Order: sequence, then C-alpha cells, then structure tokens
Amino acid sequence: DIQMTQSPPSLSASLGDKVTITCQASQNINKYIAWYQQKPGKAPRLLIRYTSTLESGTPSRFSGSGSGRDYSFSISNVESEDIASYYCLQYDNLPLTFGSGTKLEIK
Amino acid sequence: QVQLTESGPGLVHPSETLSLTCTVSGFSLTGYSVYWVRQPSGKGLEWMGRMRYNGDTSYNSALKSRLSISRDTSKNQVFLKMNSLQTDDTGTYYCTRYNRYNSGSPDYWGQGVMVTVSS
Repeated sequence: DIQMTQSPPSLSASLGDKVTITCQASQNINKYIAWYQQKPGKAPRLLIRYTSTLESGTPSRFSGSGSGRDYSFSISNVESEDIASYYCLQYDNLPLTFGSGTKLEIK
Repeated sequence: QVQLTESGPGLVHPSETLSLTCTVSGFSLTGYSVYWVRQPSGKGLEWMGRMRYNGDTSYNSALKSRLSISRDTSKNQVFLKMNSLQTDDTGTYYCTRYNRYNSGSPDYWGQGVMVTVSS
C-alpha cells in the first residue's frame, strides 16, 4: 500500500496568512493526488484533483503543486471559512490512501 | 444534480453484520464507480472498497475477509455488507462517486451515516 505522510498535523494561522500543507507518498504517484476540506460533521469536499486542478467552485486562493512523491497544498489569504481539516488522497494505486489530515485553526 | 445518500442502522451489536445502502441520483452506476470510505470518530479517512462502473469490485486487504460490495443498477443502489463487527468499526461511513473522467478522483460524497458498534 502507498503511505501518504501529511504534515503538519495542525496549523494556526492569522486571517490573511498563507499556509502550506505537504504530503509525501511512499512511491511515485504520478500526480494522482487530490485535496479535500472537511468541516466538523460534514463529508469531505473535493477542492483540488490531479495535483493542481481546482474543482468547480473552489476559490482561487487554494492551490496545489508537486510531482513524483512530493506534493503541497496552499491557501493564500486565509479566511475564517477555511477553518477545517484538510486531507490529501492518492488515487494512483489501490487501495486509495489518505494522509492523516491537517487541522487549520485561526489565531 | 449528483447526489449520494447513505442509509442503514445507527447501532450494530458486536459480531453482527453491518448492511448499508448508497442510493445515487444524477448519474448512472454503469458509467461511474462508487467507493466506500469510513472515518472513525475524530480520526482520519479509510478507503474500504469499490464497485466499479462495469460491476467489478475491489477491497481494502485489511477488510477483505469481512467486506462485500454489490449493486442494483435498476434501483441506483450500491450495498455494503461487513460482518463480524467490533467496537473499532464505529464511525461514519461514506459513499462517494469516483469520477474516472477528467483525471479521476472521488468527487461527490454522501452526507455519511454514523454507525455505532456497541452491546
């Protein structure tokens, strides 16, 4: 199984900050990584697929990049509505595997 | 529009079998795959298995011996059955559509169904 090492586990940011989350795969995942936002009591929401393609409705302050084993997800100009947990997902190989999540809090 | 809705019992006793249904609308089960993902309370996400658009199934090896996924395309439903439930199977269970077009990835998710395993 491909392991997805996500960091940091938590982030504290001020409104307007830029934050970055990373995921490292245990092997090359050929850019097949997606990023999800999950708010308490809600299902995950797809924000970005195939490393950097924003899903319809995803604000442009969200972005993704990477290749091979190393990927990152950023939020520029953090807003209060961004308070949530964020997960990466590799879908290059079965079983699909998720990162352990990053909880974003506002200072 | 695309919708997925999970349904099933909220409480299951240890050693019993969990049966969940995912009812979909806005897309065809013969055109898109449906995946099951679970989340223990306060923890991360785990892929359980899938029903492919062509009827094939795949399972997480950690659950394979206990898990079965099937479908009824005429009713737009995908079913999950998992036996020998234990307390660490408690959590929220989601079904999600896998969009194999446009570079893939699970896109639409159901709201989830909370399952508690307890005597």
